[in-house]
Amino acid sequence: DAKTTQPNSMESNEEEPVHLPCNHSTISGTDYIHWYRQLPSQGPEYVIHGLTSNVNNRMASLAIAEDRKSSTLILHRATLRDAAVYYCILRGMIYNQGGKLIFGQGTELSVKP
Amino acid sequence: EAQVTQNPRYLITVTGKKLTVTCSQNMNHEYMSWYRQDPGLGLRQIYYSMNVEVTDKGDVPEGYKVSRKEKRNFPLILESPSPNQTSLYFCASSFKGASQPQHFGDGTRLSIL
Repeated sequence: DAKTTQPNSMESNEEEPVHLPCNHSTISGTDYIHWYRQLPSQGPEYVIHGLTSNVNNRMASLAIAEDRKSSTLILHRATLRDAAVYYCILRGMIYNQGGKLIFGQGTELSVKP
Repeated sequence: EAQVTQNPRYLITVTGKKLTVTCSQNMNHEYMSWYRQDPGLGLRQIYYSMNVEVTDKGDVPEGYKVSRKEKRNFPLILESPSPNQTSLYFCASSFKGASQPQHFGDGTRLSIL
């Protein structure tokens, strides 16, 4: 099964950009890369996803390596509300049309004022 | 409002007493899933369902049962709960397909004494 590897924790200063890395060296050609975050005492929240090209939305950007073996979630200006655990997840068509999810361990992001 | 609703939010019970955690979504999603979250282990998938009457095991299905008789509901059943099932549980739903973001409920905290 394809797995992801993320750093356990990262620190950032408020209003600075944050780059959260994820390695997924065994990714298959049909796996989408999803990012979710979990704030304290809440359920996970969708952030962004992509397949091959870089993606932007109102929350973040996703940069995907050309060989797709790694990706980076970019928060352009971290705020205190961005302090959360960020999960990098592969969701693959080969796993019964996206049924089985492979979670990384997550990166706990702390943001300093 | 689009949402995934879990009940109960908190439950303390004793070993062996059957319990059911309900999950309901109002977005007409085909796909639903249950996860458990334990300290240091992140989120692990218990069961998932691609559609009505279609369910499959995730990574940690032992001790759990599910059913999907209606599209909107996906209850998690613990026939004979044990203390090692004390955990935080999340239900999620999405449209079918690897590119679809998942919507998570607020969680159910179970304590089995």
